[in-house]
Amino acid sequence: QQQVKQSPQSLIVQKGGISIINCAYENTAFDYFPWYQQFPGKGPALLIAIRPDVSEKKEGRFTISFNKSAKQFSLHIMDSQPGDSATYFCAASRDDYKLSFGAGTTVTVRA
Amino acid sequence: EAGVVQSPRYKIIEKKQPVAFWCNPISGHNTLYWYLQNLGQGPELLIRYENEEAVDDSQLPKDRFSAERLKGVDSTLKIQPAELGDSAVYLCASSLERGQTQYFGPGTRLLVL
Repeated sequence: QQQVKQSPQSLIVQKGGISIINCAYENTAFDYFPWYQQFPGKGPALLIAIRPDVSEKKEGRFTISFNKSAKQFSLHIMDSQPGDSATYFCAASRDDYKLSFGAGTTVTVRA
Repeated sequence: EAGVVQSPRYKIIEKKQPVAFWCNPISGHNTLYWYLQNLGQGPELLIRYENEEAVDDSQLPKDRFSAERLKGVDSTLKIQPAELGDSAVYLCASSLERGQTQYFGPGTRLLVL
């Protein structure tokens, strides 16, 4: 039973474009929503995270938008670069430790 | 600062054989996690340790999987006997304490033939 649903499965964006990945969850007890970036042959690495008391968080070119009422959150990658090509996972947890991951989105940035 | 170290990086075995994976967490990290990542999926938690105590192993298939974290530092995950469906990447992660950022190792890619 997947607690976090992620879409799209993959996307292709031109260099300089915007990548948008969406996630939805059901468990209203979740209070921590991180995004992880994974390159081939590497483990996931924390990219950015948000808590439900804010609706948006920005770090550099990466922004999380959070809609508590809709139980949805999304990752926006602005000015996408070839180095951003990776698989991105959204996740959610209660009390920060038991992460439930989405299925992942493979992002390809074309130069 | 060295990251989470895992070995081996790759392992190919025949079904019904035993296999073991080793993890060395970031120095000082008390919490250690083992995750299973199937192809095209996100990681799924198998077991979590707080120091040497397994505090959440509800997702660990105990009929064939076992884990230990002696002395609260390194950890070993074992499968005996391995089945074809165990082919996956086994990720180890650690955090300073429960609730802190989890840092993942590169994983061990297992192929069961």
